[in-house]
Formats: sequence, structure tokens, C-alpha cells
Amino acid sequence: SQTIHQWPATLVQPVGSPLSLECTVEGTSNPNLYWYRQAAGRGLQLLFYSVGIGQISSEVPQNLSASRPQDRQFILSSKKLLLSDSGFYLCAWTSGWNEQFFGPGTRLTVL
Amino acid sequence: SQQGEEDPQALSIQEGENATMNCSYKTSINNLQWYRQNSGRGLVHLILIRSNEREKHSGRLRVTLDTSKKSSSLLITASRAADTASYFCATDKASNAGNMLTFGGGTRLMVKP
Repeated sequence: SQTIHQWPATLVQPVGSPLSLECTVEGTSNPNLYWYRQAAGRGLQLLFYSVGIGQISSEVPQNLSASRPQDRQFILSSKKLLLSDSGFYLCAWTSGWNEQFFGPGTRLTVL
Repeated sequence: SQQGEEDPQALSIQEGENATMNCSYKTSINNLQWYRQNSGRGLVHLILIRSNEREKHSGRLRVTLDTSKKSSSLLITASRAADTASYFCATDKASNAGNMLTFGGGTRLMVKP
């Protein structure tokens, strides 16, 4: 069966510090991968998606970047965090034109 | 921009009652999906309805889709306290890159025991 992991679960970082959130998927190959951000009490905003190794598309301009160094690994990064980067970050995967499967999320607080 | 918009934003009902949540969207879709999110957790897929379908059932869930009105509804029958969660509709964005979903703001459902 397929499993998706995200870590860390929670993170508190100072403004200006770097960020690296990792997402890995097990039990499937060549998935489409997605990073979302969710503000408190709001819906999800798609940040990045990837259809293959090294292929990253960004939906909105921002202070973040993403990379896919391996087929089932998706990394969200920032060189210098802003206060506005605080939120709940969710990774998801899909095998095609069907439902997406979400990880447990990372709650990021930038102080 | 938001594709799906849920209505109401918050709903409070008693256990045993039915809960109805609505979703409106703006552009043509291939399918519409409903997800559930418990507080502080990831989203869990509930049901997918394709653009050529009008109604779909899964257990206590019933979803309708009206493409002429660009709207969908999620009905939870005989609600339970465990149904307390936020519910999101999501529409696909037809793309060669795979099914990117656009999520609405969600409906926060509280079921009182």
C-alpha cells in the first residue's frame, strides 16, 4: 500500500533562517507530487507541483522553492523565511486523474 | 483565484441530523472532489464525482453535481459527533501536467452529541 511521510511535524523558525521540509512517498512510482500551504481556517493554496524528477512548476510567486531530487522525494525550501511564510504545509501525491493523497502536514511558525 | 467556494462557512448541528454543504465553482471541470480535514491533520479524500455524473453515494455521503449551475452539494446523513471536521470541495484544473486541484475555503462542521 502507498504511504506518504512528511517531516518535521512542527517547526518554529526565526525570520531570516532557512527552511527545508521533506516529503516522501512509498509504494508507488512516478507520482505527481504537490506542495500546498494552508492558512489558519482557510483552504489550500497550491504552491508547487512536479510530474517527474527535476520537473517543478510554481503556481504563485513567493519566497519558497521546491526540488525533486528523487522520484518519490519532494522538498520545500527557503533561503530566508518571512513572517508571512507561517502556515500549515501539506504534501500530496496522485497517480493520475484521480484523488490526491495527503501527508500529515508540517505546521511552520516563523517568529 | 478561488475556484471552489463552500457554503456555509460554518455549520453546527445535533447528532442524528443531516448536514448539507454546498460548493460553487467558476470554470469547466473534469471532476469535483470532496475532502475532509480533522483539525491539524492532512486531508482525506471522501468522494469524486465526474462531470458527466449527477449524483454519487458512499455510505452516509451523497454528492450531487449540477454542471449547468456550476455547483455541487455534499450531504451527510444521520450525522455523528465524529463527523466534526472541515470539509473542502476541490475542482481539477485540466492540464497536461496532471490533475492540479483548486480548493475552496471549506465548511467547518460541528456535530454536537
